[in-house]
Amino acid sequence: EIVLTQSPGTLSLSPGERATLSCRASQSVSSSYLAWYQQKPGQAPRLLIFGASSRATAIPDRFSGSGSGTDFTLTISRLEPEDFAVYYCQQYGSSYTFGQGTKVEI
Amino acid sequence: EVQLVESGGGLVQPGGSLRLSCAASEFTFNRYWMSWVRQAPGKGLEWVANIKQDESEKYYVGSVKGRFTISRDNAKNSLYLQMNSLTVEDTAVYYCARGGPAGRCWYFDYWGQGTLVTVS
Repeated sequence: EIVLTQSPGTLSLSPGERATLSCRASQSVSSSYLAWYQQKPGQAPRLLIFGASSRATAIPDRFSGSGSGTDFTLTISRLEPEDFAVYYCQQYGSSYTFGQGTKVEI
Repeated sequence: EVQLVESGGGLVQPGGSLRLSCAASEFTFNRYWMSWVRQAPGKGLEWVANIKQDESEKYYVGSVKGRFTISRDNAKNSLYLQMNSLTVEDTAVYYCARGGPAGRCWYFDYWGQGTLVTVS
């Protein structure tokens, strides 16, 4: 099983600042089958990024994904108030596993 | 807009059974793999099971193998999860999620609002 480790656990930032979230895999993620999701309290996860760097439909361009192999990054260029949430990475190349999440808080 | 609406959650005693349903609309259901994903209270996401378009392939996370059964009815645009021998560790919000049209290696682009299963 591919284990995904996200860091940091919590990121304390202010609106307008840049957020950089990390996701490290225990083994290489094939074909960059790596996705990022955003989840707000009481809501279902929402797909942000797939294929490591492709934005999902209607996702603002302040969200970007990068990386390959075992190291992946989600960057939010300028935080908007609605971006404060928990973010999960997921690999879908070998069954499916999720990271433990990074909380982005004010 | 794609819609996935789960139902069937509730309170059940350890060892009991429950059947979850997911009603899909606004997309061609029989063209997509479908999954169940769960989230224990205050915890992260865990994929539970998925099923191919024609039910010819089904996969489960190890902790539910032999206890849970995923199925679908394409004529009713519905996905199901039969859960037997439930334990307190199965307590979670269960989400229905849409996979891809081609193969298992696909992200989940749409999710339902979830249904809470409490085993106590």
